[in-house]
Amino acid sequence: GEQVEQLPSILRVQEGSSASINCTYENSASNYFPWYKQEPGENPKLIIDIRSNMERKQTQGLIVLLDKKAKRFSLHITDTQPGDSAMYFCAARGPNSAGNKLTFGIGTRVLVRP
Amino acid sequence: GGIITQTPKFLIGQEGQKLTLKCQQNFNHDTMYWYRQDSGKGLRLIYYSITENDLQKGDLSEGYDASREKKSSFSLTVTSAQKNEMAVFLCASSISPLNYAEQFFGPGTRLTVL
Repeated sequence: GEQVEQLPSILRVQEGSSASINCTYENSASNYFPWYKQEPGENPKLIIDIRSNMERKQTQGLIVLLDKKAKRFSLHITDTQPGDSAMYFCAARGPNSAGNKLTFGIGTRVLVRP
Repeated sequence: GGIITQTPKFLIGQEGQKLTLKCQQNFNHDTMYWYRQDSGKGLRLIYYSITENDLQKGDLSEGYDASREKKSSFSLTVTSAQKNEMAVFLCASSISPLNYAEQFFGPGTRLTVL
């Protein structure tokens, strides 16, 4: 199986600054780490993911880093905007996980102040 | 594109009642999932179905039953609703059970037990 810890639970940032969310996992053989964004009243949507054969991935103002040695991965939102205010969930896919089963963190509520 | 439909959107039940939640997807996806979302606890997997006629227990299966009636539909039954229980139940689907397949989420069913 897998366990995922996510911090912080709430993150308040000023518009234009960056926001960072950190997750750790237990099973060193986990191989896939997606991030989901859930806006108020909406369903979670995949925003970026990283596989275990990569250390860094970047797309549209989002950067994901993976440190396999430390079993840690993180999401960095650069130049935050009010539209970035949402819940963010990290997840990990454990090894031998039938059905592409994911274990999610508890979520981080990001609040961007204008 | 496609869509996931969950019914009902809101469900109010009585303690001890058996309650059924339904999910339909028109992505033609093989794999479907049921998650429970509680504040401060993230998304926890209840049941999933790798393909039609398959059923797998997740981490939170006690107190629930599930049924994959056909490829496009997956229902969840709360066998005995707990008093004062409040949670959001999210259905998801992915194209296949293989690694890295994105999970798409439905809008959720909000359960309140009186």
